[in-house]
Amino acid sequence: GESVGLHLPTLSVQEGDNSIINCAYSNSASDYFIWYKQESGKGPQFIIDIRSNMDKRQGQRVTVLLNKTVKHLSLQIAATQPGDSAVYFCAENTAGNKLTFGGGTRVLVKP
Amino acid sequence: DGGITQSPKYLFRKEGQNVTLSCEQNLNHDAMYWYRQDPGQGLRLIYYSQIVNDFQKGDIAEGYSVSREKKESFPLTVTSAQKNPTAFYLCASSSFRGAETQYFGPGTRLLVL
Repeated sequence: GESVGLHLPTLSVQEGDNSIINCAYSNSASDYFIWYKQESGKGPQFIIDIRSNMDKRQGQRVTVLLNKTVKHLSLQIAATQPGDSAVYFCAENTAGNKLTFGGGTRVLVKP
Repeated sequence: DGGITQSPKYLFRKEGQNVTLSCEQNLNHDAMYWYRQDPGQGLRLIYYSQIVNDFQKGDIAEGYSVSREKKESFPLTVTSAQKNPTAFYLCASSSFRGAETQYFGPGTRLLVL
């Protein structure tokens, strides 16, 4: 069936380096994508979103790239900090306003 | 202070007992959602409501029930028919205008005694 998945379940990154988290989606009709950050025991926190008419969107220290040709989404975090340690989820908007979530990638920032 | 609140933070359920999880939002959002999250996994949709007095089943609705009598509130009842209720339950809301961001509450962790 249609799904959103992630390539890497765990990403270890040195403090100060850039992080790249990848996500593959299979529903070509999806028109809206979101990245969430979830810290242990808390609800997911919105990071950044992108609509299908865009290829790239930048926020504060974060960039989302969308490649519709290969159905790939990525989140880049610049100068990764200890506070960035969390699980990151991508989600795609399918029918109406229903989101389908990927399995998540855990980011561990090493000091 | 606007946002989504969930209560309680922790909830214990005895065998055969129904329990209700609270979700309230003061964001004036039309749509509300309930998700279940198991350890180390992603979110799965239980129920959602796009308007007051209307709701739809999500992917894993069996053993759960909801109501939407007020725009601000979307309580979830975990019934005794749900045989594996231990999980982290997350409520979310969004403005129902097509594709919109969903904002999440802090979650309720349900444990079985």
